Amino acid sequence: AQSVTQLGSHVSVSEGALVLLRCNYSSSVPPYLFWYVQYPNQGLQLLLKYTSAATLVKGINDFEAEFKKSETSFHLTKPSAHMSDAAEYFCALYSGGGADGLTFGKGTHLIIQP
Amino acid sequence: DAGITQSPRYKITETGRQVTLMCHQTWSHSYMFWYRQDLGHGLRLIYYSAAADITDKGEVPDGYVVSRSKTENFPLTLESATRSQTSVYFCASGANRGQPQHFGDGTRLSIL
Repeated sequence: AQSVTQLGSHVSVSEGALVLLRCNYSSSVPPYLFWYVQYPNQGLQLLLKYTSAATLVKGINDFEAEFKKSETSFHLTKPSAHMSDAAEYFCALYSGGGADGLTFGKGTHLIIQP
Repeated sequence: DAGITQSPRYKITETGRQVTLMCHQTWSHSYMFWYRQDLGHGLRLIYYSAAADITDKGEVPDGYVVSRSKTENFPLTLESATRSQTSVYFCASGANRGQPQHFGDGTRLSIL
């Protein structure tokens, strides 16, 4: 069975600092991987996706993630944090081996310090 | 505007009652999904549908019923609500399996 692990339920960074949110996955077949962002009282918005093309994926708002098969990781980064980046971030996986929905990590709450 | 709409946004009901959460999408996506979001669990798949009249169970289907008579609608029914079903419910749609999913704003359901 597939699974997604997000390391750190809360991450705090200073405004202007590098953002790094960690995601590791387990899948018996090559997965599709996604990062979503959720603002309070809203649904999830897609930040970026990996679907077996380029391993470095660029998303919206200067976020990017790198797929590393050897490390089974898909960490999300942003060079310079902005106050508006404060939100909940979810890493998700689709592997096609079972149900057609996404398997989500438990989420990381990103806090931006002024 | 194209999008996915959930109703109601908030609902309070009592144990044992039947409650139906509505989901409507305007993209004509084939796939639709229901997830529940609980602290410490992230989002978990309840049911999904690959097309009209085709539905299948996800990770946590017990206590829920779905139907999909039209492509654009995918209601979720709790036939006899229990306190453990207090949660935030999200509907999502996608063009095909493995494609990014588009989420509604959620329904916050409280069962007393």
